[in-house]
Amino acid sequence: ETGVTQTPRHLVMGMTNKKSLKCEQHLGHNAMYWYKQSAKKPLELMFVYNFKEQTENNSVPSRFSPECPNSSHLFLHLHTLQPEDSALYLCASSQGTSGAKNIQYFGAGTRLSVL
Amino acid sequence: EDKVVQSPLSLVVHEGDTVTLNCSYEVTNFRSLLWYKQEKKAPTFLFMLTSSGIEKKSGRLSSILDKKELFSILNITATQTGDSAIYLCAVEGFNSGGGADGLTFGKGTHLIIQP
Repeated sequence: ETGVTQTPRHLVMGMTNKKSLKCEQHLGHNAMYWYKQSAKKPLELMFVYNFKEQTENNSVPSRFSPECPNSSHLFLHLHTLQPEDSALYLCASSQGTSGAKNIQYFGAGTRLSVL
Repeated sequence: EDKVVQSPLSLVVHEGDTVTLNCSYEVTNFRSLLWYKQEKKAPTFLFMLTSSGIEKKSGRLSSILDKKELFSILNITATQTGDSAIYLCAVEGFNSGGGADGLTFGKGTHLIIQP
């Protein structure tokens, strides 16, 4: 148990659906992250929030919309996804965003399949 | 653009063997290098390295960084079947303003330990 909880663990959705991924951290951290992990590819950083403010958006398509209501919760809202968006979506948190404070703790991920 | 290359991409050894995993990197402004172990889904933190030549050790695992040659190795001695996992290497950079650039991950080394 890493202290970072993601729900749901598995999600199957059609291209016209709207769904949300949820992440909650119980570590008292200030920064939270969304990553995408596809087969045969490195983890790709999608979004970074530090003290609830978005500090990084790595050219992610607008069909992915993050929301960070407080330092403990992070959402990823999904709409009109494409089959190539099927992947493992990982959430992580860290105390801060640099140096030793940037040791990130990951959740177990949501396995997303887009049909 | 920051880049991390891990080798080998996959490795199969027998229990008791010693393995060495490699990570080379290119980063404009280096701050740290991190190793993670990913068994089922959630990557778990192993080491953070910031200085050259100082070995970090945890049980049968050890790691060292060479900032001149831009690489790190992760050693596992007396391997056990529980060491089977994907080992991820990531580098942390910083931008011209001193702010964090996030983590850039390699594709990982898929290690399989056979009984």
